[in-house]
Amino acid sequence: DAGVIQSPRHEVTEMGQEVTLRCKPISGHNSLFWYRQTMMRGLELLIYFNNNVPIDDSGMPEDRFSAKMPNASFSTLKIQPSEPRDSAVYFCASTFSPSSGELFFGEGSRLTVL
Amino acid sequence: AQSVTQLGSHVSVSEGALVLLRCNYSSSVPPYLFWYVQYPNQGLQLLLKYTSAATLVKGINGFEAEFKKSETSFHLTKPSAHMSDAAEYFCAVSERGSYIPTFGRGTSLIVHP
Repeated sequence: DAGVIQSPRHEVTEMGQEVTLRCKPISGHNSLFWYRQTMMRGLELLIYFNNNVPIDDSGMPEDRFSAKMPNASFSTLKIQPSEPRDSAVYFCASTFSPSSGELFFGEGSRLTVL
Repeated sequence: AQSVTQLGSHVSVSEGALVLLRCNYSSSVPPYLFWYVQYPNQGLQLLLKYTSAATLVKGINGFEAEFKKSETSFHLTKPSAHMSDAAEYFCAVSERGSYIPTFGRGTSLIVHP
């Protein structure tokens, strides 16, 4: 069975450039989460979708960050313009039942902004 | 508000020794509690979860955790460490009704031969 698929796995870009991270959740899962992992702050929830609708985006750092889920099988996280402090591993996770609390994570996208 | 504290960012054990990773939580309502494991360059995967059934929860790879309400703890244990257990371990809590898990800072388990 295919798990959560994220792309790209690694991205190196220069400050000011636009970055788009992509996620394909597990088929049948109706909730999707974007997390950011850094040494300094650990694992932070950025945004949470349920049935393609953003439910909680209070973790999105600032207006430079935006996320969309145009359909049940695809989501994007965009950073424009990117800054060096955005360097982190970004994880997408999905679940079939938020009440289960069990999230299925992708392998992450490691972003380096120079 | 829910939160999780993992005591010790690094735990080092010898192969064959007991593994004990500590987790304390705070929650205003009865929580769900989880342990996740992250191997290098991979995403997190669920080890075990507590959802109000038995207080001693068994997970994959020989790990187990005990929910102690009086201590607000959910420590993870394994009787005998293997080299393959070396990884980052995350405790997480979610409140019933919210269901969005909050993760601890993680504990890196180092296993020496």
